[in-house]
Amino acid sequence: DSGVTQTPKHLITATGQRVTLRCSPRSGDLSVYWYQQSLDQGLQFLIQYYNGEERAKGNILERFSAQQFPDLHSELNLSSLELGDSALYFCASSGDLGSYNEQFFGPGTRLTVL
Amino acid sequence: AQSVTQLDSHVSVSEGTPVLLRCNYSSSYSPSLFWYVQHPNKGLQLLLKYTSAATLVKGINGFEAEFKKSETSFHLTKPSAHMSDAAEYFCVVSDWSPMNRDDKIIFGKGTRLHILP
Repeated sequence: DSGVTQTPKHLITATGQRVTLRCSPRSGDLSVYWYQQSLDQGLQFLIQYYNGEERAKGNILERFSAQQFPDLHSELNLSSLELGDSALYFCASSGDLGSYNEQFFGPGTRLTVL
Repeated sequence: AQSVTQLDSHVSVSEGTPVLLRCNYSSSYSPSLFWYVQHPNKGLQLLLKYTSAATLVKGINGFEAEFKKSETSFHLTKPSAHMSDAAEYFCVVSDWSPMNRDDKIIFGKGTRLHILP
């Protein structure tokens, strides 16, 4: 158990809808990362937050947004969903800034868009 | 710009034989390099990391990797494969500087390791 929790575990929704994925980092970790894993694109970094502020952006679509709250949990909002958004979404946390830090991954949220 | 290439999408070895998973990278700065493992229906777990200290890095479960700057490689090895090593392995490169807000963490496409009995 990594100490990172993600809810829900599974989510099934329809095209055009909006969903929110939630992540609680390990106790004391300030950095939260979001990733998308799909069969065709592999594992892609979406966005990183550090202590409530956006720190780095990857291949995140404009329809997607994220935030990190004062209690350090994070939410990833996906809107105007398309079939191609079906994927496994991982959250990870680490203790500090710096590329040398190990990331601890949650179990993921599997999103299915019908 | 950063990139990571995992040269094999699938590798099959017999139990008890050596494992070699290949990774090449490119980086604009001094990179940090990682190998993560993902077992079926699980999140990723760090195997080992290189952060400009010793070029030979030892990780968990008997894995190790050698950073070779001249070859821009960071191959993962294990002397003797075990059935429990069957999983997907990701090579990761990361550059970070305090001023670089465009820092990206790049994952390779993964290598699925199959262990034959």
